[in-house]
Amino acid sequence: SQQGEEDPQALSIQEGENATMNCSYKTSINNLQWYRQNSGRGLVHLILIRSNEREKHSGRLRVTLDTSKKSSSLLITASRAADTASYFCATDPPTGANSKLTFGKGITLSVRP
Amino acid sequence: DGGITQSPKYLFRKEGQNVTLSCEQNLNHDAMYWYRQDPGQGLRLIYYSQIVNDFQKGDIAEGYSVSREKKESFPLTVTSAQKNPTAFYLCASSIKREQFFGPGTRLTVL
Repeated sequence: SQQGEEDPQALSIQEGENATMNCSYKTSINNLQWYRQNSGRGLVHLILIRSNEREKHSGRLRVTLDTSKKSSSLLITASRAADTASYFCATDPPTGANSKLTFGKGITLSVRP
Repeated sequence: DGGITQSPKYLFRKEGQNVTLSCEQNLNHDAMYWYRQDPGQGLRLIYYSQIVNDFQKGDIAEGYSVSREKKESFPLTVTSAQKNPTAFYLCASSIKREQFFGPGTRLTVL
């Protein structure tokens, strides 16, 4: 079952602009994670935000989490052509037996040089 | 060099044949996962294992089988019962909640 739903499905911006991607989910979470995938490659973990956190930064990345709205956003500032990739949110349910990540369908980001 | 490897990168198979995809990690992670990715889709969980000699079905386990005899290895067999096996297969491991992915195997059924 699909838990995280990303929005928009595709985003095209100019180098230097900021890119904002959104993720909505339906059930309770322990944490929410964002991953990046370059074409034809495996996913790379970007950032994890816990359910009791509201905002987190990592370099040019800023993630917010609003548990009341069941939504998260990923902001990439001062984008570069190398940021071109697909971005996935993944929800991690409350800790329990056999809990596992559920990934969304992803957002395709194109950064034009 | 620590990491997770998958082989082969590309695999071609005739209909009706079983094929095994390799996944090896030297990160000393307890948990390992197999996902399937189709074009324009997210990752769908096939099987996962949280400890050696134990594994659980994911959301789309039909037509697949796994084993977990060693901590480092979690091979996936795509059987002839899998009706639409052409896809990109990703293996991952984790020790806490963050997952580390291999480079993937692209399986094409001819």
